Amino acid sequence: AQSVSQHNHHVILSEAASLELGCNYSYGGTVNLFWYVQYPGQHLQLLLKYFSGDPLVKGIKGFEAEFIKSKFSFNLRKPSVQWSDTAEYFCAVNRIYNQGGKLIFGQGTELSVKP
Amino acid sequence: DTAVSQTPKYLVTQMGNDKSIKCEQNLGHDTMYWYKQDSKKFLKIMFSYNNKELIINETVPNRFSPKSPDKAHLNLHINSLELGDSAVYFCASSQDPENTEAFFGQGTRLTVV
Repeated sequence: AQSVSQHNHHVILSEAASLELGCNYSYGGTVNLFWYVQYPGQHLQLLLKYFSGDPLVKGIKGFEAEFIKSKFSFNLRKPSVQWSDTAEYFCAVNRIYNQGGKLIFGQGTELSVKP
Repeated sequence: DTAVSQTPKYLVTQMGNDKSIKCEQNLGHDTMYWYKQDSKKFLKIMFSYNNKELIINETVPNRFSPKSPDKAHLNLHINSLELGDSAVYFCASSQDPENTEAFFGQGTRLTVV
């Protein structure tokens, strides 16, 4: 079965530190890839997405992610985090073609940024 | 002008009751979804509808019955609520089943006591 694995359950950083959150998926076919963020008590918001083209994608709030097909990875990065980045981050994968739009989510990574 | 709105935001009810959660999207999308987020924040799809037709039913108990009166609405009715149904339920929509940039509602926190 297809799965999505996020490497870190809880990451604690100080402001201005660099961030990298790992995400790997198990499906070998064509996929769309997403990172969503969930601020405390709020809904999921899309940070960035990869459908095709340049494997380095830039999203909102200074986030970027790199799709490495050979490693089945889609890691999220930010060069300098802020306290306001404290949130839960979810990687998600969608297998295209007749999958009904189903997103498979990773288990989430809680990011705590200390001021 | 919320894109995906769901009501209520909070729902506390007793075991055995029947309850409904409503969802509406004003994005003109064809596809709508229900996701369940458990206490460990794990998100899992429950249902997907495209143009009012059910296209995914992810082995959800029969007590859960989605209804889509039109493509802008997807409601979730739950019969005979159980303690294990306590979770946050998110409605979402996307342009179509292949363009899966999903927009999520605010969530409904259901607590069964």
